[in-house]
Amino acid sequence: NAGVMQNPRHLVRRRGQEARLRCSPMKGHSHVYWYRQLPEEGLKFMVYLQKENIIDESGMPKERFSAEFPKEGPSILRIQQVVRGDSAAYFCASSRLGGRNTGELFFGEGSRLTVL
Amino acid sequence: RKEVEQDPGPFNVPEGATVAFNCTYSNSASQSFFWYRQDCRKEPKLLMSVYSSGNEDGRFTAQLNRASQYISLLIRDSKLSDSATYLCVVNLYSTLTFGKGTMLLVSP
Repeated sequence: NAGVMQNPRHLVRRRGQEARLRCSPMKGHSHVYWYRQLPEEGLKFMVYLQKENIIDESGMPKERFSAEFPKEGPSILRIQQVVRGDSAAYFCASSRLGGRNTGELFFGEGSRLTVL
Repeated sequence: RKEVEQDPGPFNVPEGATVAFNCTYSNSASQSFFWYRQDCRKEPKLLMSVYSSGNEDGRFTAQLNRASQYISLLIRDSKLSDSATYLCVVNLYSTLTFGKGTMLLVSP
């Protein structure tokens, strides 16, 4: 029974390149969340998605970052023209319920992005 | 004022000790509350939900005071394996907001 699957686990990019992070939620979960954790910092909410819909993107930087959760396939967090400050661990989480009823979030092991 | 505020620690305690963590949240409309645990360079995992009536799970007790916007976690009889960062989490509308966490180090 697979949990939340994220890949790649580690990604190295040079400044200006693109990074694509993928997340497959747990079976039966239709709510996906992306969080970013900078070194020595807490988890920062980025975006909340349901299938084909962005529900809340209030934590997403205005430029270079985008997320999607298509009808088929994993959720993808895309960072264009990466800069050194994008180096962080990006965690994806999923839940069975959302909104006011969001209970436990199940997290993937994270994707660690290093920008050289 | 930060949305969810915690003392970062670290709390250094010997095995068997009782330790308490506190957390405050800024938005009185927050709807549900949790404690998560995060081991070094690992993903966060749910430790327990927090209810107004207080709840206990083995050695762990969580309390919520809505009037003071305050959440606590008590760990009794600390084990070496309790060493981790404990994250206070608040649900406002549709997203979970995490505190920066309190680090606990339990020593032999």
